Amino acid sequence: SAVISQKPSRDICQRGTSLTIQCQVDSQVTMMFWYRQQPGQSLTLIATANQGSEATYESGFVIDKFPISRPNLTFSTLTVSNMSPEDSSIYLCSVRSLASGRSDTQYFGPGTRLTVL
Amino acid sequence: GESVGLHLPTLSVQEGDNSIINCAYSNSASDYFIWYKQESGKGPQFIIDIRSNMDKRQGQRVTVLLNKTVKHLSLQIAATQPGDSAVYFCAALPSGYQKVTFGTGTKLQVIP
Repeated sequence: SAVISQKPSRDICQRGTSLTIQCQVDSQVTMMFWYRQQPGQSLTLIATANQGSEATYESGFVIDKFPISRPNLTFSTLTVSNMSPEDSSIYLCSVRSLASGRSDTQYFGPGTRLTVL
Repeated sequence: GESVGLHLPTLSVQEGDNSIINCAYSNSASDYFIWYKQESGKGPQFIIDIRSNMDKRQGQRVTVLLNKTVKHLSLQIAATQPGDSAVYFCAALPSGYQKVTFGTGTKLQVIP
């Protein structure tokens, strides 16, 4: 299994500012994803982080609001831009590897708990 | 996309009893299924998975059952313990599809 760490683990931010969340994996992985989980809710996929190219965003999420980087196979960042209280949520990094053309298990980081005042 | 739903939002179980958490999926092309456990303040943790060529798989105190005919998945936890209290999510993936989508989740409460 992959070991995933996220920084920061939590933060309290002011409206209008931006926060960059880092995700580090202990091994090279094929896929990296960013999810959002609002209190008491299920996980919502924000985007797939693609190495060396622009991320693939899900409906309702745009690059200007959630810029993502993935410079290599073990690291990615998610920025939450121009924050508002509605952005208060847990942000989760997730990784997955594909072996022999078969789907492999997807693992999650511990999450970053963001509160926007 | 994949529609995955859970039957019960909250399940209360007496400590020592067995727990059964159910999940229905809509895409008959799904061939890989995962159960996750999420404790308060933590990220989802992989529990057990099963592929569509199986109908049952056992782990330590957990068993996943798959009924492809009715597109139903269940997680059974034997001798439920207080540490099992968490939200449980199921996920169903079509072959080759790389995005996991999650259902609502079931909150398991273990009564001491």
